[in-house]
Amino acid sequence: SQQGEEDPQALSIQEGENATMNCSYKTSINNLQWYRQNSGRGLVHLILIRSNEREKHSGRLRVTLDTSKKSSSLLITASRAADTASYFCATDSGGSYIPTFGRGTSLIVHP
Amino acid sequence: DAGVIQSPRHEVTEMGQEVTLRCKPISGHNSLFWYRQTMMRGLELLIYFNNNVPIDDSGMPEDRFSAKMPNASFSTLKIQPSEPRDSAVYFCASSLGSGGSGANVLTFGAGSRLTVL
Repeated sequence: SQQGEEDPQALSIQEGENATMNCSYKTSINNLQWYRQNSGRGLVHLILIRSNEREKHSGRLRVTLDTSKKSSSLLITASRAADTASYFCATDSGGSYIPTFGRGTSLIVHP
Repeated sequence: DAGVIQSPRHEVTEMGQEVTLRCKPISGHNSLFWYRQTMMRGLELLIYFNNNVPIDDSGMPEDRFSAKMPNASFSTLKIQPSEPRDSAVYFCASSLGSGGSGANVLTFGAGSRLTVL
């Protein structure tokens, strides 16, 4: 069963614009991760944020976590056509630390 | 390191046949995961191994599915007999996760696309 749910399901933007994707989850978490999946490929880890952190940056990526709202957002700044992919959030909770994935946001960046 | 290696990349088989999917995790990773991805259900965890021992197989759909990890460098997922509803992309992933005391950052293989006719 999915713990995290991404929003929107699909996002279409022009190159150079910023892309924001959101993830909401139901139960308290230990960690939240974001992954990218290019068409026909496996998922690639982007960034991990722990439950006691509020914001992390990695290059053009910015992730925020609001545990009071049980939500996270992924911001990609100055998007490029190569950012076209599906983006998934994954959460783990309790003592298992097993990542559970949402259904993903499909991002299309038009050149 | 070549990353997580899965084989075959594509498999087309007929209903009732046995299917074996293979995975070689990253050397030194002690946790291995099998996930299944479909349009309808998204990415579902099937089974999780830690130090070659199955820890959580609650996601295995039914007795037709079995998974083994005979050593730290090899795992198999077997479906016998296969059914059309098993058609999906099966991913293997590994991590340095320490069996419950920290986050599992996953490295995924390229996946095995299974079509059961």
